[in-house]
Amino acid sequence: KAGVTQTPRYLIKTRGQQVTLSCSPISGHRSVSWYQQTPGQGLQFLFEYFSETQRNKGNFPGRFSGRQFSNSRSEMNVSTLELGDSALYLCASSLGTTGLSYEQYFGPGTRLTVT
Amino acid sequence: GNSVTQMEGPVTLSEEAFLTINCTYTATGYPSLFWYVQYPGEGLQLLLKATKADDKGSNKGFEATYRKETTSFHLEKGSVQVSDSAVYFCALSDYGGSQGNLIFGKGTKLSVKP
Repeated sequence: KAGVTQTPRYLIKTRGQQVTLSCSPISGHRSVSWYQQTPGQGLQFLFEYFSETQRNKGNFPGRFSGRQFSNSRSEMNVSTLELGDSALYLCASSLGTTGLSYEQYFGPGTRLTVT
Repeated sequence: GNSVTQMEGPVTLSEEAFLTINCTYTATGYPSLFWYVQYPGEGLQLLLKATKADDKGSNKGFEATYRKETTSFHLEKGSVQVSDSAVYFCALSDYGGSQGNLIFGKGTKLSVKP
């Protein structure tokens, strides 16, 4: 079974631009979560989608948004990029959103550099 | 709120040395606990997990025991290899929480020298 895929793997943008990242979950998984990873802040939760609905959201500004499609693929968008948005963006998928031990399977991440 | 604290790195060991990475947590209720590993240039992989007190998770020679009395989930391996060099993250489940379904520690970078 194919793992979580993220595209693109690397991206360079300039301040003020916007960017869209894509995540394809493992087949059959309906939940997708996004995380931002930086050396200073570590792993921070952005949001979670399940069946095309945002189920949970972290403490990020409104410039960060996402969506999920009927095939469970998800995209996240960052508008008006800032230098501080440079990070590794990780997507994780799981079967569902409840239960004691739904495992999250992570993709390789998209490395975003803002110049 | 719920949180995870793990020992700061980096940790440098010689091959075949014993490894311990400390992890403690603060949580209401009874979360599941996880160790994830991140190899250079890759995403996170689940290394092991434990879902209730006194459970021991194990995988690839790594072990961790869910200790409710000390709120700890320390990662151990008896004999590390160069290939174990990576960043290790302790995490707890917090489904529906504002920090997401998984709360991570800051990560501990392990370097194993031949």
